[in-house]
Amino acid sequence: GAVVSQHPSRVICKSGTSVKIECRSLDFQATTMFWYRQFPKKSLMLMATSNEGSKATYEQGVEKDKFLINHASLTLSTLTVTSAHPEDSSFYICSAIGQGNQPQHFGDGTRLSIL
Amino acid sequence: AQSVSQHNHHVILSEAASLELGCNYSYGGTVNLFWYVQYPGQHLQLLLKYFSGDPLVKGIKGFEAEFIKSKFSFNLRKPSVQWSDTAEYFCAVSGGATNKLIFGTGTLLAVQP
Repeated sequence: GAVVSQHPSRVICKSGTSVKIECRSLDFQATTMFWYRQFPKKSLMLMATSNEGSKATYEQGVEKDKFLINHASLTLSTLTVTSAHPEDSSFYICSAIGQGNQPQHFGDGTRLSIL
Repeated sequence: AQSVSQHNHHVILSEAASLELGCNYSYGGTVNLFWYVQYPGQHLQLLLKYFSGDPLVKGIKGFEAEFIKSKFSFNLRKPSVQWSDTAEYFCAVSGGATNKLIFGTGTLLAVQP
């Protein structure tokens, strides 16, 4: 089946640091990748939609300058949390979708903790 | 506004009991419906999906879901649960030409042996 790899699985860093999270589709070409944020005991919240070779589309209320998304190839998208602060601590999950009417395939998620 | 509602936040069942998890959505237009499952320590996995056709959808591991358009519902069912079904279950919907998913808040299922 389709596999999406997300790295790192866990990050702990100081306030003010920028953190990059990678999302890779291992065995298919991902025309679109999605980035979600999940708060404890709450649903996954879509942050942005990323299409290869074009700018990401951010959901309302998501700061594009805070959460930089790059989708440089059909198998890789990155999310950079810039100048992270404790309130950015969360579980970030990516998903990828290939061509056609396909369901999304999810990565394992990244637990980000900002001290 | 588009939304997905899962009524049961936490369900505890004994093995062999029947399961039904509720999911209602609010979405104008054509919808695609999904159930995802997240086993402890693992990523979200697709359980089943409905795009069109037969409203009774069969998924993996004996799960099924029924799309009732008049009730805006897509409830998940399994006639006899196993301990290995212990997981969190998410209902999700996407609509029209977009692949964007809107998730419910999830239902944590604990099956006691």
